[in-house]
Amino acid sequence: GAGVSQSPSNKVTEKGKDVELRCDPISGHTALYWYRQSLGQGLEFLIYFQGNSAPDKSGLPSDRFSAERTGGSVSTLTIQRTQQEDSAVYLCASSLGLAGVIFFGPGTRLTVL
Amino acid sequence: GEDVEQSLFLSVREGDSSVINCTYTDSSSTYLYWYKQEPGAGLQLLTYIFSNMDMKQDQRLTVLLNKKDKHLSLRIADTQTGDSAIYFCAETLHGSSNTGKLIFGQGTTLQVKP
Repeated sequence: GAGVSQSPSNKVTEKGKDVELRCDPISGHTALYWYRQSLGQGLEFLIYFQGNSAPDKSGLPSDRFSAERTGGSVSTLTIQRTQQEDSAVYLCASSLGLAGVIFFGPGTRLTVL
Repeated sequence: GEDVEQSLFLSVREGDSSVINCTYTDSSSTYLYWYKQEPGAGLQLLTYIFSNMDMKQDQRLTVLLNKKDKHLSLRIADTQTGDSAIYFCAETLHGSSNTGKLIFGQGTTLQVKP
């Protein structure tokens, strides 16, 4: 596609429920990133996929967070047993390989009640 | 440690130039970026500079990179009210565990007064 797309754009859920956030990277981009933007923490790195290599999960805040990337393209970020502190904007980005310029999607605003 | 610093707020009058400054820490960064974020929107890639360049100009935007001082600046000429937004500076980290990871500054809120 022309740019990185994410769905849904907004998600409201109840504490304790699981949520799935989707990202479609720019076609042909082999690197995919998830970031989180919250009021108290600014922009934080969560996880990074590059081709068939093992993902860099060093930014995931707890084991309730996981992500997968199917077929080297679409990625899903899953948050289990959501907590109120998970409320944030989740941003996906992609680049053409490790040294490529990084483009962001519009984000998914998650609100946990 | 890994740190990117920006001033938090800048106010200018329409038509003036704006200069947003940033300092970073990783001298091996490949790219240094400026992203723009308008209220309720995602991060829009505004411009970037490759680390072997000193300056990059793109229409009203001029990026200056001082590698010795690890200082990056963004100059917006003839600032318009539509330029009002938060501007984020970011550097890429490299190394076996950090490849491609972006470290962001806190963001500079640019207010343009008519």
